[in-house]
Amino acid sequence: NAGVMQNPRHLVRRRGQEARLRCSPVKGHSHVYWYRQLPEEGLKFMVYLQKENIIDESGMPKERFSAEFPKEGPSILRIQQVVRGDSAAYFCASSPGQGAKETQYFGPGTRLLVL
Amino acid sequence: DAKTTQPPSMDCAEGRAANLPCNHSTISGNEYVYWYRQIHSQGPQYIIHGLKNNETNEMASLIITEDRKSSTLILPHATLRDTAVYYCIVRAPYTGGFKTIFGAGTRLFVKA
Repeated sequence: NAGVMQNPRHLVRRRGQEARLRCSPVKGHSHVYWYRQLPEEGLKFMVYLQKENIIDESGMPKERFSAEFPKEGPSILRIQQVVRGDSAAYFCASSPGQGAKETQYFGPGTRLLVL
Repeated sequence: DAKTTQPPSMDCAEGRAANLPCNHSTISGNEYVYWYRQIHSQGPQYIIHGLKNNETNEMASLIITEDRKSSTLILPHATLRDTAVYYCIVRAPYTGGFKTIFGAGTRLFVKA
């Protein structure tokens, strides 16, 4: 009974490079959420996807960040031209449906360090 | 989503019950109360959730007051591994309810 899986667990990039973070939801879950946690801060919602569709991206920076959840394969959070301020832990969560009574289960996170 | 208020930190002796309070005085009738915890740098771990009735599972109990303006998470026999930040969250079923909005939480220290 695999939970949410994220890889890589740690990622080091130099300024200007691209970062790709992957998230495999719980089997059978079609709703994926990405959150970011800056050092010593709480988690902040970034984007919500439901198979091939972006439902809400209100928490995601307008530039350099993009997310997808293709029909086949994991969800991808892509950060282009990374800057030092992108250094954070990125968590993915999944749920079987939408709504307040649908529990979101979180993955272990990817820790991005930008040098 | 309704705003929640939690004490910033609490101590608990190992083996004792840990009672973590949460105030959500502006909660609406259809908003759920969720509890998560985050053990140092790990992903948030779901603990329990409820709407009106008290709930219990293998990890904890959730006591919601009759007016639903506050709740208490109870860890019946705290262990050192329960040291973590505990987040009380309320989520609405309508638009925006999918956003789990994390506050500062309560940092629980379980001491031997």
